[in-house]
This record gives sequence, structure tokens and C-alpha cells, in this order.
Amino acid sequence: DTGVSQDPRHKITKRGQNVTFRCDPISEHNRLYWYRQTLGQGPEFLTYFQNEAQLEKSRLLSDRFSAERPKGSFSTLEIQRTEQGDSAMYLCAGKTADGNTIYFGEGSWLTVV
Amino acid sequence: AQSVTQPDIHITVSEGASLELRCNYSYGATPYLFWYVQSPGQGLQLLLKYFSGDTLVQGIKGFEAEFKRSQSSFNLRKPSVHWSDAAEYFCAVGAPPNSGTYKYIFGTGTRLKVLA
Repeated sequence: DTGVSQDPRHKITKRGQNVTFRCDPISEHNRLYWYRQTLGQGPEFLTYFQNEAQLEKSRLLSDRFSAERPKGSFSTLEIQRTEQGDSAMYLCAGKTADGNTIYFGEGSWLTVV
Repeated sequence: AQSVTQPDIHITVSEGASLELRCNYSYGATPYLFWYVQSPGQGLQLLLKYFSGDTLVQGIKGFEAEFKRSQSSFNLRKPSVHWSDAAEYFCAVGAPPNSGTYKYIFGTGTRLKVLA
């Protein structure tokens, strides 16, 4: 158990709909990451939070994507007006303040039809 | 630019044979180095990590990796592969403190197939 839970595990949505994914890390993980992984590829960095502050964002995080961590605990990743190219697994990872290792959740699969 | 290269997309070995998965990185300083394993449809599980010190590190499931600074490599090895090792393996680098970035960069992965 990595201490990172993600919900939902699978989501099928129609193109143009909005979707939201949730990540719940253990309290010790005050650092939180979102990654995207498409088939046959490695995880690609999307964004990083330190407590509630979003300190780094990838250019992959277009204006249709938004991530929040309002109280420095759970985080949400919202995709607006989904496109077929958004089909991927969205991974959340946590890290402690004094640690150097990130621990991943099981991921949330998105299929846009 | 920071990058991680895993030159082998697919590797097939027989059960009981030895294994080496290659990883090369490009980074301004010595980053933190990791190997993760991913089973189909699952998240990534940490196998081992290197921060400093002894360049040969031991991980879970009988895996080890060796850091070679001169070659910018961090290759993963296992002396005897088990059928349950079939999975995808990712090498990753993490930014050391005060490097100006927080992100961890992953390679494209090596898919391991194990023949009975």
C-alpha cells in the first residue's frame, strides 16, 4: 500500500463532457504530483503541489485541465470539454517533505468515446 | 534538456535466465535515480532507488541496479528471472534539492516477457 488512493479507477465519457479525478494521499504526503500515461509510454509530468500551493505545471496542462489541492490534503484533476486524445491513465503520486521518493496510486483510466 | 532513455522497448528472456535492463539519463547534476515496475492496468511500484553512496543498490524482488556516473547509466539487473517478473519497467530521475524543478522524469519503459 503506497498510501495514495485514486477515484474513480475507470471512467468512460463522451467527447465534450467534463470529468474530475480525485486523489487522496496519506497526511504525510504534503507533496503531490499528477502524471498522465498513454499506452506504450512512460508517465508524463502534469503538475506538482506543495501543500495547497501549485508550484510547477507542465505545458501539457492545457487550459482545459485544472488541478486543485484546496486544503493541502486531497487533490482533484478536472478535464473540461474532453477530447479523444485525453484518453489515458491519470496517475497521482505523493511524497513526504523530507523524502526523495514518489509513491503512486493505482491510477484512473479515462476513455473518451 | 533533462531526459531518460530506455533503449530496449521489448525484452524476452527465459525463466531462470539473467536480466539486464538499460537506462541512460541526461541531467545537469547527478539526479536521484529510480526503477519502477508496472503490471497491466496498475500503478507504478518502486523497485529501488539511488541517491548517493554505494553505487550498487539492492531492491525488492531480488533486483539490483548499478549507478555508473561516467556512463550516465543506471542499469537494472536480476540474476534469475521468474515468470511473475513479466511487466513493464520504468527508469526515472528525480531532481535534487535546489535544482529549480520538482518533477520526476520517466523513460518510455521496457516491456519484459518471460518464457516458461
